Amino acid sequence: GAGVSQSPSNKVTEKGKDVELRCDPISGHTALYWYRQSLGQGLEFLIYFQGNSAPDKSGLPSDRFSAERTGGSVSTLTIQRTQQEDSAVYLCASRPAGRGYEQYFGPGTRLTVT
Amino acid sequence: GEDVEQSLFLSVREGDSSVINCTYTDSSSTYLYWYKQEPGAGLQLLTYIFSNMDMKQDQRLTVLLNKKDKHLSLRIADTQTGDSAIYFCAERGQTGANNLFFGTGTRLTVIP
Repeated sequence: GAGVSQSPSNKVTEKGKDVELRCDPISGHTALYWYRQSLGQGLEFLIYFQGNSAPDKSGLPSDRFSAERTGGSVSTLTIQRTQQEDSAVYLCASRPAGRGYEQYFGPGTRLTVT
Repeated sequence: GEDVEQSLFLSVREGDSSVINCTYTDSSSTYLYWYKQEPGAGLQLLTYIFSNMDMKQDQRLTVLLNKKDKHLSLRIADTQTGDSAIYFCAERGQTGANNLFFGTGTRLTVIP
């Protein structure tokens, strides 16, 4: 079946612009995560959605970052007034209900802020 | 907070065994995971081990967990060129934790 998809695959933007990154999770998966992968560093947790519960935003690095998940499916991560340090690969993962903690990752969006 | 550490690089010859090591700090970890990331692709779950186990074997993969030393390893037997990738160790903290904590990843290069 279809896996997690993300768009765009690459995004180059100028410093100060806003960007939106999209994630389509696996159909039926109830949990959705956003992570950031910077060069030479591990994955950094950003935000977590579970069903209709309030999202866990504890990993968002600043108030320039926000995310939504509409209808319990597609999610959008928005970064306002982008900075060069926001350059990274942004990974989305989804997880089915009741399956231990197996997260299924998308291919990521590579964001470059110039 | 949780800290997961891995060495950044490992090179092995094709056919040899690879051992990728990971240390973590959270003694309440419940599950520990190994993910593989190939170029341009997302992370693929390879295997995981529950914290009350000390070994798990799955075909060419063997996971060893030393909970006392908070040390996790992944052994790949008969390493092939297709095993070249970045391998991430991850841990889930106490039950109820929402996310995983990942190491920096170890880039495995298999030399033909």
